[in-house]
Amino acid sequence: GAVVSQHPSRVICKSGTSVKIECRSLDFQATTMFWYRQFPKQSLMLMATSNEGSKATYEQGVEKDKFLINHASLTLSTLTVTSAHPEDSSFYICSATDISYEQYFGPGTRLTVT
Amino acid sequence: QKEVEQNSGPLSVPEGAIASLNCTYSDRGSQSFFWYRQYSGKSPELIMSIYSNGDKEDGRFTAQLNKASQYVSLLIRDSQPSDSATYLCAVNGGMNTGFQKLVFGTGTRLLVSP
Repeated sequence: GAVVSQHPSRVICKSGTSVKIECRSLDFQATTMFWYRQFPKQSLMLMATSNEGSKATYEQGVEKDKFLINHASLTLSTLTVTSAHPEDSSFYICSATDISYEQYFGPGTRLTVT
Repeated sequence: QKEVEQNSGPLSVPEGAIASLNCTYSDRGSQSFFWYRQYSGKSPELIMSIYSNGDKEDGRFTAQLNKASQYVSLLIRDSQPSDSATYLCAVNGGMNTGFQKLVFGTGTRLLVSP
């Protein structure tokens, strides 16, 4: 099956700093990547859709200047949480898809902002 | 009306029984339907996809789709304690949301007792 990696798996940072999360599709070329956030005991919340070489499309209510997304190649997308605050602490998960519309998820990044 | 609805559960079944998970969706334009399994603290894992009316079997799992009734189900035969997880129904967005996006239900928690 398709494999998506995410790095780091866990990160603790101080309030006001920025954190970069990488998402890679290891064995297929991802036409589209997605970034989700999940708070404890809640469902997945789509943050943005990212296509290679173009600007990300953000969901309503998601600040594009705070959550910077770069999709530099067909196998790599990055999410940078800028000026992180404790309320940004969450489980961030990326997914990647090819033309089949099947989305394969990375293992997730648990962000804790102190 | 929520776009994808699932009973939150928990659905409790004894080991060896059949677990039946149900999902309804609102967008008639949706074309692709998926079931994901999510263990606590982990990211979702794709277990079944179905695109046309009828049944699709893969090992102990059977997905059923009825587009006229806007209904998707997942049957798990010979349930095992390791099947205990939250099962997420996901539907591609259709024309209203976009075919690449997935709309997720809130998930059904399944508990399989030994």
